[in-house]
Amino acid sequence: GAVVSQHPSWVICKSGTSVKIECRSLDFQATTMFWYRQFPKQSLMLMATSNEGSKATYEQGVEKDKFLINHASLTLSTLTVTSAHPEDSSFYICSARSQVYSNQPQHFGDGTRLSIL
Amino acid sequence: AQSVTQPDIHITVSEGASLELRCNYSYGATPYLFWYVQSPGQGLQLLLKYFSGDTLVQGIKGFEAEFKRSQSSFNLRKPSVHWSDAAEYFCAVGAGGANNLFFGTGTRLTVIP
Repeated sequence: GAVVSQHPSWVICKSGTSVKIECRSLDFQATTMFWYRQFPKQSLMLMATSNEGSKATYEQGVEKDKFLINHASLTLSTLTVTSAHPEDSSFYICSARSQVYSNQPQHFGDGTRLSIL
Repeated sequence: AQSVTQPDIHITVSEGASLELRCNYSYGATPYLFWYVQSPGQGLQLLLKYFSGDTLVQGIKGFEAEFKRSQSSFNLRKPSVHWSDAAEYFCAVGAGGANNLFFGTGTRLTVIP
C-alpha cells in the first residue's frame, strides 16, 4: 500500500517551454502533497506543500510564479515549471501523505529528471 | 531550529558484514524520525519511522534503528548487509509530525563482494 506514482520519469525540453509533472497517490487519499528538488549528490530541498483544494505554501526562495502547483483532488497534484531554463534542470520528487491518521509518514514518488537544453 | 546531521558521507562495507549509519538531530520537542533509502535515479522508500513508544524500531529489509534521546541520535543498523542494499540513505526529522521533514545530507553505502 501507499504507492505514489510520478510522471514523467524523465523529460528533456528546450529552454522557454513549460513542463508539467504529475504526482498521483494510487491507493490512498493524499490530503497533503509535497514537492522537493534534489541536486546531484545532495539532499532533498522542500519547495512547497499543498493541501487538497487550497493554495500551495512555498518555501522561502522558491518562486511561486515559476513553479505552479495544483492539488485539485485527493489523488493528484501537478507541478508546472513555467518558461523553464537550464538552471531549472534538476531531479524533482513528490511525496504524499494522508492526514486521516496522525502517524502517517510521507510516501515518495520515483522522481522526475528534468533536463532543459 | 531543527536540523539533521549524517556525519558519514560514504561508507563501504563487505557483503555479509554488519552496518551502522549514524544520524544526529536537533529539535526542541519530541521528534518524529525517519530513515529513507534512495536507489540511483529513483525516489525515496521509507525504511522505518519512530513516532513514540519502543525506542528500537524495526523496519523493512532487515533494518532497525534505535532512538536515543540522551544522544539525540537515531542510528540505522543491519546485522548482515546484502549487495542490493547499496544505495543512498537519508535520515529525516519531522517537525510537528510528518509534514515538515528536514533531511540529512545522506550517506552513500557501497557494498563490496
